[in-house]
Amino acid sequence: EAGVTQSPTHLIKTRGQQVTLRCSPISGHTSVYWYQQALGLGLQFLLWYDEGEERNRGNFPPRFSGRQFPNYSSELNVNALELEDSALYLCASSPESGTQYFGPGTRLLVL
Amino acid sequence: KNEVEQSPQNLTAQEGEFITINCSYSVGISALHWLQQHPGGGIVSLFMLSSGKKKHGRLIATINIQEKHSSLHITASHPRDSAVYICAVSTGGTSYGKLTFGQGTILTVHP
Repeated sequence: EAGVTQSPTHLIKTRGQQVTLRCSPISGHTSVYWYQQALGLGLQFLLWYDEGEERNRGNFPPRFSGRQFPNYSSELNVNALELEDSALYLCASSPESGTQYFGPGTRLLVL
Repeated sequence: KNEVEQSPQNLTAQEGEFITINCSYSVGISALHWLQQHPGGGIVSLFMLSSGKKKHGRLIATINIQEKHSSLHITASHPRDSAVYICAVSTGGTSYGKLTFGQGTILTVHP
């Protein structure tokens, strides 16, 4: 069974640009979560999608947004990139039991 | 004060030693998760528990709901156990949903 996949693996952008990160959940998982792990900081919850709807949102500005498609894959969009957006962005999926399965992450560097 | 606190922040051990990592939380939870993050960034879910004790190989996780405390034990530690161990909690009445993370414990096991 394939795990959670994310693309791209690495990305370099400049301040003010926009970026889209992608996540494909494990087959059968309807929930997708996005987390940010900035350098030297812990993991922080960004967004939770389930059955195509946003269920919860972390304490991040509106320029962080996303969506979930009918096949349960998801995108995370970040507009007007700032230097402090440089981080590892992790996607996870879960079945209803709650255990979360994490993807390998996308490393974003904003210059 | 963080909702989830781990101790110690750093832990160094010799191969074969018994290791304990502690996690305390200050909110009502529906489940507690122990995660392992290797240097490359990938995260693996080790345990999800809401009561009692779980064991998988050399790893044991316990939780005391009344004291709001959980421990992760590693028996007969090995250098390949070197990683960051992260405690996280699910809130909101279900084990489903966003996670709130502790700051992580960096474990180094020397041969």
